[in-house]
Amino acid sequence: NAGVTQTPKFQVLKTGQSMTLQCAQDMNHEYMSWYRQDPGMGLRLIHYSVGAGITDQGEVPNGYNVSRSTTEDFPLRLLSAAPSQTSVYFCASSYGYIGRVNTEAFFGQGTRLTVV
Amino acid sequence: TQLLEQSPQFLSIQEGENLTVYCNSSSVFSSLQWYRQEPGEGPVLLVTVVTGGEVKKLKRLTFQFGDARKDSSLHITAAQTGDTGLYLCAGEDSGAGSYQLTFGKGTKLSVIP
Repeated sequence: NAGVTQTPKFQVLKTGQSMTLQCAQDMNHEYMSWYRQDPGMGLRLIHYSVGAGITDQGEVPNGYNVSRSTTEDFPLRLLSAAPSQTSVYFCASSYGYIGRVNTEAFFGQGTRLTVV
Repeated sequence: TQLLEQSPQFLSIQEGENLTVYCNSSSVFSSLQWYRQEPGEGPVLLVTVVTGGEVKKLKRLTFQFGDARKDSSLHITAAQTGDTGLYLCAGEDSGAGSYQLTFGKGTKLSVIP
């Protein structure tokens, strides 16, 4: 099993450009989520999904879109990149709601995004 | 949003020393998790604690959940260089029916040989 796979690992964008960060998991997990990690800020939830066709906003959703057409994939779209979106992005999956008893979250290796 | 405060923010110790890092909140959490993150990698779950006063051991790591389920600590005995990394605590936020994980900002541990 590959676990959670994120692509690309590194990306540089110009302000105003759009792009999609890919996330795929092969563990048949229902719950997937996107976080951003900034220095001194910890991990902050952007969007999450509890199953195919169902998504919801997290703490910092502005400027990002998500969709969940299959159980395996949960792409994150930046509509018009801004320097404030420079960050490391992590995708995570779990078989149930993250944080529930005995529910382990599996994280990808991250995408380091720089917006200039 | 429930907040988790971790301390210290940075910790540098010699190999063989003991250390404790803390995770505190004014809110009650249903459960709390500890993760370790190495540079260039995603966080990896170490343990989940659920019951107030619970103590879990993972080799040289001892985790404790406060009686009131508002705080937790991680104690490492005889630290090794392989323990170097960012330690994150995360609490389950089940308010308003939405289950989300709230992360602390982390403790960056460096173990010097």
